[in-house]
Amino acid sequence: SQTIHQWPATLVQPVGSPLSLECTVEGTSNPNLYWYRQAAGRGLQLLFYSVGIGQISSEVPQNLSASRPQDRQFILSSKKLLLSDSGFYLCAWNNIGEYYGYTFGSGTRLTVV
Amino acid sequence: GEDVEQSLFLSVREGDSSVINCTYTDSSSTYLYWYKQEPGAGLQLLTYIFSNMDMKQDQRLTVLLNKKDKHLSLRIADTQTGDSAIYFCAESMDSNYQLIWGAGTKLIIKP
Repeated sequence: SQTIHQWPATLVQPVGSPLSLECTVEGTSNPNLYWYRQAAGRGLQLLFYSVGIGQISSEVPQNLSASRPQDRQFILSSKKLLLSDSGFYLCAWNNIGEYYGYTFGSGTRLTVV
Repeated sequence: GEDVEQSLFLSVREGDSSVINCTYTDSSSTYLYWYKQEPGAGLQLLTYIFSNMDMKQDQRLTVLLNKKDKHLSLRIADTQTGDSAIYFCAESMDSNYQLIWGAGTKLIIKP
């Protein structure tokens, strides 16, 4: 069966520190992968998406970057966190040509202090 | 461009029906979705409907699609406290089925 793992669940980081959030998918191949941020339990802001290894599209210019070193691994990074990077980060995947919608990870609550 | 709109809040009494509405702008939408997000959790797919359908029912959930008016609704019968969540509407248009999201409707249940 297909599963998605996202970690850590919560993270408290000081301003200026680096960030690495990881997401892995099991049970499928060549998925589309997505990173979303959700502020204050509200709408979803698409940060990055990837349709293949090494292919990253950025939706919003910001302090973050994403990488896809393996087919089912998607990493969200920052070299120096800002206070405004605080939020709830969600990873999701879907398959090209399949209409079943996205499957989301359980999210990471990031607090920058 | 594409846009999906929802009311931010809906308050209903326990046991009543909840109707969450969504409007979208792109008539080429192929599938429309409803997701549920409980506090502190990821989003969970509740149901989806193909654009050539008018209605889909699944236990307490009824989805109505008015393609002419580009209006989608989710009805939850006999609303329970466990239905408290944010409900997101989303549409997909292209062959990659990438989704365009509404801002979410927070469903508040009154005792």
